[in-house]
Amino acid sequence: DVQMTQSPSSLSASVGDRVSITCRASQTVTRHVNWYQQKPGKAPSLLIYADVRLQSGVPSRFSGSGSGTDFTLTINSLQPEDSATYYCQQGYITPGTFGQGTRVEVK
Amino acid sequence: EVQLVQSGSEVKKPGESLKISCKTSGYIFAKYWIGWVRQEPGKGLEWMGIIYPDDSDTEYSPSLKGLVTLSADKATSTAFLHFTNLQASDTAIYYCARSPLAGDALDSWGQGTFVTVSS
Repeated sequence: DVQMTQSPSSLSASVGDRVSITCRASQTVTRHVNWYQQKPGKAPSLLIYADVRLQSGVPSRFSGSGSGTDFTLTINSLQPEDSATYYCQQGYITPGTFGQGTRVEVK
Repeated sequence: EVQLVQSGSEVKKPGESLKISCKTSGYIFAKYWIGWVRQEPGKGLEWMGIIYPDDSDTEYSPSLKGLVTLSADKATSTAFLHFTNLQASDTAIYYCARSPLAGDALDSWGQGTFVTVSS
């Protein structure tokens, strides 16, 4: 299986801050990294697919970058509603493994 | 509007079997993969397997192969996750989700089915 190592496991930031979450794959997975947001008690929802593509309806303050084995989810101008857990996932090889998750708290 | 609606919460005893459903609407069911994802209480997401309803092609996580079975009914646009011999460790929320390709992003999700296995 491809391992996805996500960091940090949690972070706390203020409204308006820029935050970044990183994900490192155990092998090259370019164009197959996706990012999800999960709020408490809810199903995950897709934010970014194919490394950099913004899912329809997702605010433009979310962006994805990276290639090879290193990928980043960036939230520009953090908003209160961005409090959630974020997961990376690779779809290059099945099983489509997820990172461990990053809990984001908005102060 | 794409919708995936899952069956309700279940409480089962160890050794029992269970079939969870995921009824879809708003798109051509046969032409998109349906993936299943497990989330143990307070834990992260685990990819379980995926099925292509048009021909029932399936791929399973090696850690779960033989423990669960995926199926799909094109007549009712419904996918199923079938457990045999449930164990306490199967206690989790199970999500179905749609994907354009087997290894692609999961772009629409069901609301989740909470399964509790306890004696």
